[in-house]
Order: sequence, then C-alpha cells, then structure tokens
Amino acid sequence: DQQVKQNSPSLSVQEGRISILNCDYTNSMFDYFLWYKKYPAEGPTFLISISSIKDKNEDGRFTVFLNKSAKHLSLHIVPSQPGDSAVYFCAAKAGKLIFGQGTTLQVKP
Amino acid sequence: EAGVAQSPRYKIIEKRQSVAFWCNPISGHATLYWYQQILGQGPKLLIQFQNNGVVDDSQLPKDRFSAERLKGVDSTLKIQPAKLEDSAVYLCASSLARGLSEKLFFGSGTQLSVL
Repeated sequence: DQQVKQNSPSLSVQEGRISILNCDYTNSMFDYFLWYKKYPAEGPTFLISISSIKDKNEDGRFTVFLNKSAKHLSLHIVPSQPGDSAVYFCAAKAGKLIFGQGTTLQVKP
Repeated sequence: EAGVAQSPRYKIIEKRQSVAFWCNPISGHATLYWYQQILGQGPKLLIQFQNNGVVDDSQLPKDRFSAERLKGVDSTLKIQPAKLEDSAVYLCASSLARGLSEKLFFGSGTQLSVL
C-alpha cells in the first residue's frame, strides 16, 4: 500500500526554466510534508517542508504547494540550475515519515 | 558540525551470511532511525530509537534483523542470515527532537549486495 506516490520517475528541464515535481498521497492523517534531495552516493538532505495548515511555503528558488482536497503536493524550482540535478523524494508524516519513490530531475545547461 | 557517520560504505556478502552496519548520529541528537532503500524505491523505516529505547520497529523483519543503540548514541544494525532481497542501501538518520517539524539528517548509507 503506497501511501505516498511520485508517479513521474524522471523529469528533464532546460536550465533557467521551471521544474515542477509532483507527489500524491492517500492518507488524510498526514499533517506535515517534506521534500528531500539526494545526490548519488550521498544520503538525502532536507530541502523544504510545509505544514498541513498551509497551502504554500517558499524558500528562495524552491516553493512547495499543498492541495489538501486533491491530496497533492508539488515542488517548484525556478529558475532551475544544473546543480539541481538529483533525485527528489517527497515525504509525509503521520507519526512516522513515509517516503515516495523519488523523481530524478535532470537540468540541462 | 559533523554529520551522521556510517560504515562501511559498501558490503558484499553471500546469502545466509551475517552483516553488521554501524551508525554514529549527530552529537546531541536523541532520535535515531534506520531506513532501507531498495533500488527505485523511497527509503522505508526499519526502526526508530528515542535515546536507547525503541519507538517503532513495526517494519523490521525481526526473524533476521536486529538493531541496538547502546548508551543512546551509536547504533548497529545486523542482518543474520542475509537474503538476496536484502540488497539495498541502509541509511541511518538522526534528529534533534521528535515533533511535527522534526527534520532528519541522513548519513551517506551502506550499500549492501547479497549474492
């Protein structure tokens, strides 16, 4: 039972354009959502988070949007940079943290 | 600030052998986690410690996996005997405190190959 789903395994965008990574969840008890970024041979690192009482949180080039009625989360990166190329995991919390499968983002120069 | 340290980085064993992984969390972090990440999947929680007590081990295959956190600092995760499906990256993470906005800091992981 996959409670957190990232349906796009990969995404390729041009440098300077917007990257939009999507995440869907099924458990309405999730009260906190996070995005982690992972480079090869490294552990995931925290990127940005949002509480279920908000619908948007912004940190520099990164913005997370939460649509609770649709049980949908998205991460916007603008402008995208080659250094953003990594695997992005969304995660949701209801007690424990549940991760999605990840989306590999490639930003082309 | 030193990050979460894990060793070894890589391990190759044959099925039915035993293996152990070690984790040293960030100093002062009371909560420690072990995650299993199978290729193409997201990390899956195996066990969570608060100091040296177990908070959640509901997804730990207890017939073959064991973990301990002596003195509430370092932790070891053991697999005995290993199966082919145990091939994965084993990630250790720590956090300062539990709570809604808790952020996990991950180590680089141990990549295990079971042949």
